[in-house]
Amino acid sequence: NAGVTQTPKFRVLKTGQSMTLLCAQDMNHEYMYWYRQDPGMGLRLIHYSVGEGTTAKGEVPDGYNVSRLKKQNFLLGLESAAPSQTSVYFCASSPRGVGVGSNQPQHFGDGTRLSIL
Amino acid sequence: SQQGEEDPQALSIQEGENATMNCSYKTSINNLQWYRQNSGRGLVHLILIRSNEREKHSGRLRVTLDTSKKSSSLLITASRAADTASYFCATDGIQGAQKLVFGQGTRLTINP
Repeated sequence: NAGVTQTPKFRVLKTGQSMTLLCAQDMNHEYMYWYRQDPGMGLRLIHYSVGEGTTAKGEVPDGYNVSRLKKQNFLLGLESAAPSQTSVYFCASSPRGVGVGSNQPQHFGDGTRLSIL
Repeated sequence: SQQGEEDPQALSIQEGENATMNCSYKTSINNLQWYRQNSGRGLVHLILIRSNEREKHSGRLRVTLDTSKKSSSLLITASRAADTASYFCATDGIQGAQKLVFGQGTRLTINP
């Protein structure tokens, strides 16, 4: 029972390089999320998806792109990495979103630790 | 901006003691959730309390919610070394936003 799996677990990039972070969930969840976690900042939402083929911007979307071509996968791309994007990235999924009538928790992966030099 | 603010930022207690963490938020909510994060791992959901509930229990966890004060507390009773972790509150904030907003967390250390 894998839950939410993130790859890779660690990565070091040079400024200007590009890369894609992969998130896969095996719980048939509709909603998926990408967060970044920085010291003293808690988790901040980058982008999210409410279903296959959909994406939406979160709190800090600049410099990132996402795609949800398959329900189980949510990809986060950095087109031209910058040192300010050094962070720990977490993917999460939930059966439904938040709000009235929703009582579903989010399930998190163990994160990708990304350093941009 | 952060919706939830945890207090204290760090808490160190002896094993067996109770630990209390507080969360304040700014806007109306539908529900509030608490998560735990062990070092180097992802967040794990602990408990959800709805806006029409005042108290909820789960094992050694007790969560209260005061919507008039826009605050919540998480009490861990009879703490264990394995409870050492960071604890985050998360609120659903603005209706229709379809997202959770997390606080900055409380780092709890249980000393043996």
